[in-house]
Amino acid sequence: DTEVTQTPKHLVMGMTNKKSLKCEQHMGHRAMYWYKQKAKKPPELMFVYSYEKLSINESVPSRFSPECPNSSLLNLHLHALQPEDSALYLCASSQEWGASYEQYFGPGTRLTVT
Amino acid sequence: GENVEQHPSTLSVQEGDSAVIKCTYSDSASNYFPWYKQELGKGPQLIIDIRSNVGEKKDQRIAVTLNKTAKHFSLHITETQPEDSAVYFCAVRGGYSTLTFGKGTMLLVSP
Repeated sequence: DTEVTQTPKHLVMGMTNKKSLKCEQHMGHRAMYWYKQKAKKPPELMFVYSYEKLSINESVPSRFSPECPNSSLLNLHLHALQPEDSALYLCASSQEWGASYEQYFGPGTRLTVT
Repeated sequence: GENVEQHPSTLSVQEGDSAVIKCTYSDSASNYFPWYKQELGKGPQLIIDIRSNVGEKKDQRIAVTLNKTAKHFSLHITETQPEDSAVYFCAVRGGYSTLTFGKGTMLLVSP
């Protein structure tokens, strides 16, 4: 089973709202990722967690706050977003970070900021 | 950093034809090359990958070839079917251990 699940599937939020995106995997993977994907563009890496510790932050604005409560869960907390933050947010996981481990993506959360 | 170029940006074929998508990369230390298929409204799905110690890998109608000297790799789909229609992304993992994606190829397979 190579399933990564994400909730919610769709989210509409105002610029003053606080919301969270959730990601879960039960493959025993120790690396988890957040990507942002705009329409007709490839995924852009935002954050990498390895063994529940933040390993990479690709200079993401502080209005995006990641959290890894345990090895199966990854959250992305959103606050004071801008309309240009509207995008598909993808979670991914791999057995480990580094080397040539396969990376599996979830279905994504379609975020609209109004 | 790594630079990945993917061609063509769109590819239209008739059902049953073959399709080839090519990617080039810049970092000679890159060692892992996956291909993802993304259907409308879905997340990218890993369809095949190849590592730097292998020149070719095949899985039913899908194959990937790697030329490390020339720093390019290609996705080959034979006997295309309408359900192969999607956006295909190549990716490269280099020394920094993160994936760099190509810009994508929209494949349209007409019945």
